Amino acid sequence: DAKTTQPNSMESNEEEPVHLPCNHSTISGTDYIHWYRQLPSQGPEYVIHGLTSNVNNRMASLAIAEDRKSSTLILHRATLRDAAVYYCILRDGVSAASKLTFGTGTRLQVTL
Amino acid sequence: NAGVTQTPKFRILKIGQSMTLQCTQDMNHNYMYWYRQDPGMGLKLIYYSVGAGITDKGEVPNGYNVSRSTTEDFPLRLELAAPSQTSVYFCASSYSGTSGAYNEQFFGPGTRLTVL
Repeated sequence: DAKTTQPNSMESNEEEPVHLPCNHSTISGTDYIHWYRQLPSQGPEYVIHGLTSNVNNRMASLAIAEDRKSSTLILHRATLRDAAVYYCILRDGVSAASKLTFGTGTRLQVTL
Repeated sequence: NAGVTQTPKFRILKIGQSMTLQCTQDMNHNYMYWYRQDPGMGLKLIYYSVGAGITDKGEVPNGYNVSRSTTEDFPLRLELAAPSQTSVYFCASSYSGTSGAYNEQFFGPGTRLTVL
């Protein structure tokens, strides 16, 4: 699986938008970009995924660069409950085994 | 649905003891996985299964064994516990679908294991 690079930590104020960057310069044409997050003392949970086009769901938006070498997870209005470690993961769209390779992620702190 | 459940939540083992970590899912998912997470690190895949009777090694399989006799259950066995196996263990499951890229993994709450 191709590697991703994320900042170790970021801070945000509550009710403000948060942009979490991810670099994946060696992404292949069949790699999907997935984001998971892990709340304190819990297992990871799925946030969003995309291939080429920007994606929106009830939790977040995913903006993918035109060359696909980077992406940004956008939380439109951060709340205290969004404080977590966010993982950007590349997954081969061809393989049916669905394995996830986790890096160390970005720890997001949200303050009042 | 209960989703993915894991037992026990916590366990302390002595070096050389053995134990089985239980994992059950009620979503009729084909794929199941075991990960471990060391402090401050991301998750690492231990073993995975694409269906009953089929298992395969992940990134860090040494010291562990698995079996998959039913769709619902995927127990992880530690035969001779070592301090290096102190970690938090997460079980996950996903539906196979038509492509691995689409398949959200659902994680259990984890088992915190300490080996002394």
